[in-house]
Amino acid sequence: EVQLVESGGGLVKPGGSLRLSCAASGFTFGDVWMTWVRQAPGKGLEWVGRSKSKNDGGTTDYAAPVKDRFTISRDESKNMLYLQMNGLKSDDTAIYYCTTDLQLRQHWGQGTLVTVSS
Amino acid sequence: DIQLTQSPSFLSASVGDRVTITCRASQDISSYLAWYQQKPGKAPKLLIYAASTLESGVPSRFSGSGSGTEFTLTISSLQPEDFGTYYCQQLNSYFGQGTRLEIK
Repeated sequence: EVQLVESGGGLVKPGGSLRLSCAASGFTFGDVWMTWVRQAPGKGLEWVGRSKSKNDGGTTDYAAPVKDRFTISRDESKNMLYLQMNGLKSDDTAIYYCTTDLQLRQHWGQGTLVTVSS
Repeated sequence: DIQLTQSPSFLSASVGDRVTITCRASQDISSYLAWYQQKPGKAPKLLIYAASTLESGVPSRFSGSGSGTEFTLTISSLQPEDFGTYYCQQLNSYFGQGTRLEIK
């Protein structure tokens, strides 16, 4: 069974940093693209960024609002995906989800809440 | 970056109506498109993936079609529980802005 479990959310002050984690199981982690998605309160779903599999170059891509502040990384020995968030702003307050696709079907974790507030 | 544009942004329809939501991509995305339903306070629910494959457990009144740059989600006979916001998403990438569906 595919499982994605996010952790690391919490309350952080503007300008602060936070690292989110996503524990993956039930599939071959190294073979898939992994993605972070977020949803701010009362807003739509927003793609944050993705980490491509090694076979597809292993590169990362980011949405414009987070580029140069957020970094996605993965530890394939631990089947873990990370989202390092620096320079946090109030606009980054959201539920953050990690997702992946297996044979074109997207799987989601339950999400972790990040609140940026003084 | 490829943009997804959904229409309409808001839709009000009656039980039993046939409802269609469109998602247009700014470039060809083949069949790499999913549709989600989201209700207030809940996580998104996958309805359709690969443009036209119905997710297990989703009622057959939901269907998806299209490829390339134009996609549609159709609800053949609207039910009261189908209210919510619907999103399209390019696989591992951007979302449409959402379509809020209200039951009259």
